[in-house]
Amino acid sequence: DAGITQSPRHKVTETGTPVTLRCHQTENHRYMYWYRQDPGHGLRLIHYSYGVKDTDKGEVSDGYSVSRSKTEDFLLTLESATSSQTSVYFCAITREDSGNEQYFGPGTRLTVT
Amino acid sequence: RKEVEQDPGPFNVPEGATVAFNCTYSNSASQSFFWYRQDCRKEPKLLMSVYSSGNEDGRFTAQLNRASQYISLLIRDSKLSDSATYLCVVIGAGSYQLTFGKGTKLSVIP
Repeated sequence: DAGITQSPRHKVTETGTPVTLRCHQTENHRYMYWYRQDPGHGLRLIHYSYGVKDTDKGEVSDGYSVSRSKTEDFLLTLESATSSQTSVYFCAITREDSGNEQYFGPGTRLTVT
Repeated sequence: RKEVEQDPGPFNVPEGATVAFNCTYSNSASQSFFWYRQDCRKEPKLLMSVYSSGNEDGRFTAQLNRASQYISLLIRDSKLSDSATYLCVVIGAGSYQLTFGKGTKLSVIP
């Protein structure tokens, strides 16, 4: 258990509305990540962060933004949700002191109607 | 060529069987390798890291062949509880970004 929580765990929202997902960690890890997982695509990186206010884009960043104002929190925002963003979203951290192993939060299941 | 490729399965094996999963990766500069396990509707969980010399953890053995850019996972004496999707994961040199295979689904049958 890497002390990662995600909120909300489930959300249904309408097309065009903004949505923010929160990832919270308790172990002070520098690297945090947001992935989405869809059937047929596996896990794909959306954005990642390597410190407070330091973020970068991943493979599928269009339509998403992130913020990290505190070490423990990494927020993912869908500015205007679309049905193609219906997915399961996982947050992860890297344990730099453990061979760069990544540990995942429990996931957020988002449905955009 | 996809960055990390796995046979999607499904592999349906009887309890007690030995099963092997293979994974190939395209970036020869990749530095770190892992196997993750993912149960239905759950997050991926680290099963084991893969070291150059190969490593074993109980019934699980992981091997790395850098020359062929190939990783394997062997599960001996399969249990019903081994039923899951197994994800091959690679990290490139100088990076903290993981690249995931799409996973191989295993069903262990009584």
